[in-house]
This record gives sequence, C-alpha cells and structure tokens, in this order.
Amino acid sequence: DTGVSQDPRHKITKRGQNVTFRCDPISEHNRLYWYRQTLGQGPEFLTYFQNEAQLEKSRLLSDRFSAERPKGSFSTLEIQRTEQGDSAMYLCASSPGDFYNEQFFGPGTRLTVL
Amino acid sequence: AQKVTQAQTEISVVEKEDVTLDCVYETRDTTYYLFWYKQPPSGELVFLIRRNSFDEQNEISGRYSWNFQKSTSSFNFTITASQVVDSAVYFCALSEGRNDYKLSFGAGTTVTVRA
Repeated sequence: DTGVSQDPRHKITKRGQNVTFRCDPISEHNRLYWYRQTLGQGPEFLTYFQNEAQLEKSRLLSDRFSAERPKGSFSTLEIQRTEQGDSAMYLCASSPGDFYNEQFFGPGTRLTVL
Repeated sequence: AQKVTQAQTEISVVEKEDVTLDCVYETRDTTYYLFWYKQPPSGELVFLIRRNSFDEQNEISGRYSWNFQKSTSSFNFTITASQVVDSAVYFCALSEGRNDYKLSFGAGTTVTVRA
C-alpha cells in the first residue's frame, strides 16, 4: 500500500521560470488537496479536487498558479513566472470517499526560487 | 483571523517527561472537526487523531492523550513519558462543517525531547 507521492521532492529555479509539480494520491481517494507551507508556519490551503473537478481555490492561489487533475487520478500544480515569494513547501494530500475523512499527506515538494 | 492558535512555539523536555501541547480554536459552526498532525524532521505530515464537535470524550492511545473541551474551545494533546522519537513539530487543525474539505492549521509547536 503506497501513500501519497509527490515529484520532484526538491526544485530550485530562477525567478521568472515556470515550474510544475506532480502529486499521485492514494489509490481510489476521491479528494485531492494542495497546501503551501512556509518556514515556521502551518500548511495553508490552496485548492482541492473532488475527482477531476476543482471545487475550491484559495485567495492564495494567484492567477500564476494553476492546478489540474485530469481523469481524477494524479494532479499537477503549475506556477508560472515564479517569484521569490513562491519559495515554500508544496504539500499534496488525499482523502477517501465522498464524506469527510482525515487527509493523508505526501512528502511535499520544496521549491526554492532564486 | 487565526482560527487555530497554538501559543507554544517550542517546548523542550528531557526524555520520560510528560509534555502537553495547547490548541485553541475559533469557529461559529456547530459541526466541525479537530485534528492533530505530527511533522517529524523528514517533513511528512502524519495524522494522529480526529475529533468531531459532538464528541467531547477524551481519548487515550498509547502514550498519547487528547483533552477536548468545547466550553473553552480547546483541544489539548499530551505525550506521556516522552521519547526522543517524539521530537517533531505538532500541528492542530480545524475543519468547519460548511467547508469540511479545508484544514486550517495552527502555526505548530516544536517539541524537542532530549535524551
């Protein structure tokens, strides 16, 4: 039984470049979530999917950010024209079923924008 | 406004001491869930417990115990006889009935257990 996986684990990029992260949820989990965590803080909600539908986006998700979950399986989070303020840990989580359950988190992708 | 407050930034104890982590939450919903997660140095958040707003019964799981008090909006977490492996950042989180997909996390409490 594999948990939530994320790729890459680390990404260093130059300001202005685009980056894309991938998340593979636990098999058969309908809900998938993206959070961002900066140093010394708790994770902050970015967006979530119920199957392939993106149902909620936080104000933190500027128009430079886009997330997809084609076919309701893996998800990608893209950041365009990265800024130094985007440097953070990007966490993905998933939860089973249509009713609320605890969220299981992946190891995260640490983004550093130079 | 911060929905979850963890007033303790860091706690340092010697092995075998008990440590209690405070969590105070704020919500207007009558239906909500409270959580504790552990984030060890490896970085991956590990789910510890979930409580719903209708169940104030305290819970004990091994060396972990939780005290939920709606009257004071608190959901405190105690580690009994701490061990070095308990060293981690611990987060309290809240999800509210109308937005149950979204976890609102506190800032976390860093626990260091010294041998």
